[in-house]
Amino acid sequence: DTGVSQDPRHKITKRGQNVTFRCDPISEHNRLYWYRQTLGQGPEFLTYFQNEAQLEKSRLLSDRFSAERPKGSFSTLEIQRTEQGDSAMYLCASSLGGTNWEGPAYEQYFGPGTRLTVT
Amino acid sequence: GNSVTQMEGPVTLSEEAFLTINCTYTATGYPSLFWYVQYPGEGLQLLLKATKADDKGSNKGFEATYRKETTSFHLEKGSVQVSDSAVYFCALRGSGSARQLTFGSGTQLTVLP
Repeated sequence: DTGVSQDPRHKITKRGQNVTFRCDPISEHNRLYWYRQTLGQGPEFLTYFQNEAQLEKSRLLSDRFSAERPKGSFSTLEIQRTEQGDSAMYLCASSLGGTNWEGPAYEQYFGPGTRLTVT
Repeated sequence: GNSVTQMEGPVTLSEEAFLTINCTYTATGYPSLFWYVQYPGEGLQLLLKATKADDKGSNKGFEATYRKETTSFHLEKGSVQVSDSAVYFCALRGSGSARQLTFGSGTQLTVLP
């Protein structure tokens, strides 16, 4: 399977603990996106990388959140001092980025998500 | 900023009924428009897209037309099946450098046999 994978699929943690999620994009994709989806809502953009560079962050990404993509391949999203409001599905997507945006390879392909529950 | 407003659900239909899910958007510039589908226990999948005004996206019997004059991208299917039961999300991709997607809140569709 060459799709986007995320690990773990589910995470239950206690308030105040740190958690880290991993995303492995489709191998040739140079762009990687993180979104958050709360119950009954659509995904909301958090941040994105082009290769190893983090180029944009949403206002939703508080100081407790940090994302990395050290070698331009997989990415990690860490949440420090988790709060109950952090409970959500965290989605990763990847795509190609370039001057031609219209082919199917330039669309975002989503992973299955990591469901975080903070108790 | 960009936003997407989607018909609230849930929507329950009988098999072979006609489906319409309304979607309107607000955006600067010339966004691309998408419908994504999320089946139970699975990730988001791209269903169809349109990149400019009057384009019609279609896939698996679903269609949507990019209407710039009404800023709409309504999803339609002439005859739904039980297997179409899922959550449907309308989304737009702006013309900014990040190219991130802005989603609506989703519409839960249940098709009964």
